[in-house]
Amino acid sequence: EAQLVESGGGLVKPGGSLRLSCSATGFTFSQYAINWVRQAPGKGLEWVASISAVSTYIHYADSIKGRFTVSRDNEKNSLYLQMDSLRGEDTALYYCVREISSWYYFDSWGQGTLVTVSS
Amino acid sequence: QSVLTQPPSVSGAPGQRVTITCIGSSSNIGADYDVHWYQQLPGAVPKLLIYGNTNRPSGVADRFSGSKSGSSASLAISGLQAEDEADYYCQSYDSSPIGPVFGTGTKVTVL
Repeated sequence: EAQLVESGGGLVKPGGSLRLSCSATGFTFSQYAINWVRQAPGKGLEWVASISAVSTYIHYADSIKGRFTVSRDNEKNSLYLQMDSLRGEDTALYYCVREISSWYYFDSWGQGTLVTVSS
Repeated sequence: QSVLTQPPSVSGAPGQRVTITCIGSSSNIGADYDVHWYQQLPGAVPKLLIYGNTNRPSGVADRFSGSKSGSSASLAISGLQAEDEADYYCQSYDSSPIGPVFGTGTKVTVL
């Protein structure tokens, strides 16, 4: 069974940086695109970024473009999200999500890691 | 980034049928991208409910069904049960700008 476990969340001041990690087990990580999806407290789901299986294709939501960078290390079965120039509106639970690329849907979700941007 | 439009809330009595609509545009659903649905129970992680417009993953009750027409899609829940109280999100893919796109979410209340 696929499992995704996020880490690295916490409290950071506006303008600060944070690096999230996602560790994958139970499937061949290097064969799947992985996404970051976030959910602000009491709000809906928002797609953040995606990275293809071998990092060929990377896409970002307009709301974070130029501030966040997604990367992966297939040797370590890990995904990362470097978040810079953080703003209050980036406060959210960040989910690491496996994508079924032939259909563009998400079949496995981590439990999420909470990022709070506040002074 | 585009979003897909859903009604904020729908409600129904136990046993009734409710329908949630998901309205997109010519750059996402109308561009023939598939629609998928997720259920998020209170305090839980979203769970895949319907993929590829009409397909249910193993373990999902056949009370849940999906459809798509033109630039919109629908999720129907028949025989509504108390355990169906949750938030439901549609999701598709957008070609401009490129990337997945979620619906605004619908809270289902069982009266």
